[in-house]
Amino acid sequence: NAGVTQTPKFQVLKTGQSMTLQCAQDMNHNSMYWYRQDPGMGLRLIYYSASEGTTDKGEVPNGYNVSRLNKREFSLRLESAAPSQTSVYFCASLQGAMVEAFFGQGTRLTVV
Amino acid sequence: TQLLEQSPQFLSIQEGENLTVYCNSSSVFSSLQWYRQEPGEGPVLLVTVVTGGEVKKLKRLTFQFGDARKDSSLHITAAQPGDTGLYLCAGERNAGNMLTFGGGTRLMVKP
Repeated sequence: NAGVTQTPKFQVLKTGQSMTLQCAQDMNHNSMYWYRQDPGMGLRLIYYSASEGTTDKGEVPNGYNVSRLNKREFSLRLESAAPSQTSVYFCASLQGAMVEAFFGQGTRLTVV
Repeated sequence: TQLLEQSPQFLSIQEGENLTVYCNSSSVFSSLQWYRQEPGEGPVLLVTVVTGGEVKKLKRLTFQFGDARKDSSLHITAAQPGDTGLYLCAGERNAGNMLTFGGGTRLMVKP
């Protein structure tokens, strides 16, 4: 059982470059989330998708875009990377309200 | 300012001691969850509390949801080195709404 799979695990970008972080879940969950975690900090919500076809901004959406490609996949795009976007990015999925969120292993992104 | 404020941010104790971690907000939550995260991994759920005043126990861990559903606490009895990690609270203000996290409490238990 793969659960939530994120790719890549590590990435180094130059300022101004673009990239897409991929996330896929095999649990048939409706909701998917993208968070960022800075060193020693909690998770801050970037975007979420409550169901296929819908996306909403979270706490820190600026500089990011998302696509809910289908029920399984939710991607996060950085159009023009900035050093302030250096962070560990986590994707999560959950079936509905008040239930467990399952997380991927994270993508460690460094922007130089 | 985060919606959920956790305290303390850091805690270093000796094996066998007891500790309490707090998660506070000015907002009401329909549910509140506690997660534990180890280095290089994603958070893993410990418990979900839903009803105001609810108390749940998980071995040496006791979780409480405040009566007004604005705060929660995690109490660990006789801490062990294996309890070391980052403890995160997370809440939904409305059922099915976005899940937001607190800043976390980093716990170190020394043998």
